[in-house]
Amino acid sequence: ETGVTQSPTHLIKTRGQQVTLRCSSQSGHNTVSWYQQALGQGPQFIFQYYREEENGRGNFPPRFSGLQFPNYSSELNVNALELDDSALYLCASSGRLAGGRLDTQYFGPGTRLTVL
Amino acid sequence: AQSVTQLGSHVSVSEGALVLLRCNYSSSVPPYLFWYVQYPNQGLQLLLKYTSAATLVKGINGFEAEFKKSETSFHLTKPSAHMSDAAEYFCAVSERSQDMRFGAGTRLTVKP
Repeated sequence: ETGVTQSPTHLIKTRGQQVTLRCSSQSGHNTVSWYQQALGQGPQFIFQYYREEENGRGNFPPRFSGLQFPNYSSELNVNALELDDSALYLCASSGRLAGGRLDTQYFGPGTRLTVL
Repeated sequence: AQSVTQLGSHVSVSEGALVLLRCNYSSSVPPYLFWYVQYPNQGLQLLLKYTSAATLVKGINGFEAEFKKSETSFHLTKPSAHMSDAAEYFCAVSERSQDMRFGAGTRLTVKP
């Protein structure tokens, strides 16, 4: 148990719809990162939030957006869903080391999104 | 730019045999390196991490990994495989303050 929770566990949407995924970070962690893991692949970095601000983004289009709240929980929003968005979405929470370096990331169980 | 290459998408060993999962990294600064395990339909669980202290790192479930700067490698080993070790294993590298880059993963099968 990492203390990182995600909801929902599974979700089915149709192409063109919008979806919001949620993540509660581990107590004491101020950074949340989101990853997309397609079937049979390693996780791909979507973006990271640190103290409620976006702090880095991977190669994902603007229809992928996020929020971080004062309690450091986070949301991932995806607009205009496409079939290729079907994947396991993982969030990871972490703290910061001296100098701002990212500490170890602890992952939630993921949300399985299926787009039909 | 940081990157990770895991050699071998599938590794099969017999129960009781040595497990060796290979990982090579590329990083422009001293890296932090990680091994995670993923069981079916679950998230990632941290096995062990290297953060510039001892080069031989011991993790959970009897796994260990050795950081070799000259070879840019961070291979994962376990002396004796158990059936419960069957899972997907991911090597990851982190340079600074942002993302962690993962390899494509190695699926470990343990035969009875």
